[in-house]
Amino acid sequence: EIVLTQSPVTLSLSPGDSATLTCRASQSVSSFYLAWYQQKPGQSPRLLIFGAGSRASGIPERFSGTASETDFTLTISRLEPEDFAVYYCQFSGSSITFGGGTKVEI
Amino acid sequence: LQLVESGGNLIQPGKSLRLSCTASGFSFNDYAMQWVRQAPGKGLEWVAGISWNGDDERYADSVKGRFTISRDNAENSLSLQMNSLRVDDTAVYYCAKGSSWEVRVPRMDAWGQGTTVIVSS
Repeated sequence: EIVLTQSPVTLSLSPGDSATLTCRASQSVSSFYLAWYQQKPGQSPRLLIFGAGSRASGIPERFSGTASETDFTLTISRLEPEDFAVYYCQFSGSSITFGGGTKVEI
Repeated sequence: LQLVESGGNLIQPGKSLRLSCTASGFSFNDYAMQWVRQAPGKGLEWVAGISWNGDDERYADSVKGRFTISRDNAENSLSLQMNSLRVDDTAVYYCAKGSSWEVRVPRMDAWGQGTTVIVSS
């Protein structure tokens, strides 16, 4: 089973900063099955990035993703107040796995 | 597109509960569906998934043998039958739409608002 490890656990930044979030897979995986989600307090998760680098519908251009065989990165350039949230990566293999999450806080 | 979960409740350990998810705004029978849960203050945990026609069901090890996912394409509904509930099944349960017909969905592109299950004596 693939294990996804997200780092850092918490990222303390200010509006206007850039955020770099990492998701490391325990073995080489296809980026086609890798996605990122945003979850704000009291809300459901929302799809942000899929296929490692494609933005979901309505997602601003300041969100971007890159991928290698085991390392996946979500970058948020110029943080807006509404971007402070928890971010999860997810991989679909024989089962579906989520990373532990990264909280981006002010 | 809308996904509305229902059925969450406070229930004693060892009992059973059935969750439902009603879908609208898309062609339900074209897509796989998933259940994902989130324990209080914790991260997301995939629970179960089902293919577009119900032929393929998959489960997390933590619920295998206790939970059963099913769907009724005529009614645009998804269900999760939860038996032998344990305290650590306490969570918000979300239904989520997969982006393809097979259980191994590349992504979940729509989520419901969740329904809360509390397992406690």
